Amino acid sequence: GAVVSQHPSWVICKSGTSVKIECRSLDFQATTMFWYRQFPKQSLMLMATSNEGSKATYEQGVEKDKFLINHASLTLSTLTVTSAHPEDSSFYICSAAPALGQLNEQFFGPGTRLTVL
Amino acid sequence: LAKTTQPISMDSYEGQEVNITCSHNNIATNDYITWYQQFPSQGPRFIIQGYKTKVTNEVASLFIPADRKSSTLSLPRVSLSDTAVYYCLVGATGGFKTIFGAGTRLFVKA
Repeated sequence: GAVVSQHPSWVICKSGTSVKIECRSLDFQATTMFWYRQFPKQSLMLMATSNEGSKATYEQGVEKDKFLINHASLTLSTLTVTSAHPEDSSFYICSAAPALGQLNEQFFGPGTRLTVL
Repeated sequence: LAKTTQPISMDSYEGQEVNITCSHNNIATNDYITWYQQFPSQGPRFIIQGYKTKVTNEVASLFIPADRKSSTLSLPRVSLSDTAVYYCLVGATGGFKTIFGAGTRLFVKA
């Protein structure tokens, strides 16, 4: 089956620093990738939709200058949390939709646990 | 985007069949229904997808009535390892965004 990886799987950083999270589709090309955030005991919250070669579309309430998304190739999207603060600590999950997918199926990465001290 | 409603939680015992129903009254003509499973600190895992009637794979069945305003995920003979959160999603195609509802927390007891 299709595999999506994320790197790193967890990261701890100091307040004020920036953190980059990578999302890769390993065995398929993904025209569209999605970034989600999940707080403990809550559902996934869509942050933005990323299309290869174009600017990401952010959901209402998500600061685009704080959460920088780059989708430079059909297999890689990155999320950079700039000037991270403790309230940004969360579980970040990406998903990818195959370019030639026939069904409404997204393949999810394993997630990245961000802890901001 | 179609809103989905599921029970917040369910309890079951090992070996039982579990049915989780999802309501999606404003589902659109082009929308598919997809179910995902999520364990703590992991990304969601695809379980099954369907458009209408019944779909079955090696892990579950999905029942969709003719009006498509609801769907039921059926897990046969659950085990302790099926304890997880199950999400019902409704959306057009993989490239269109989907919104996660609250999901159903299934707890399987010995």
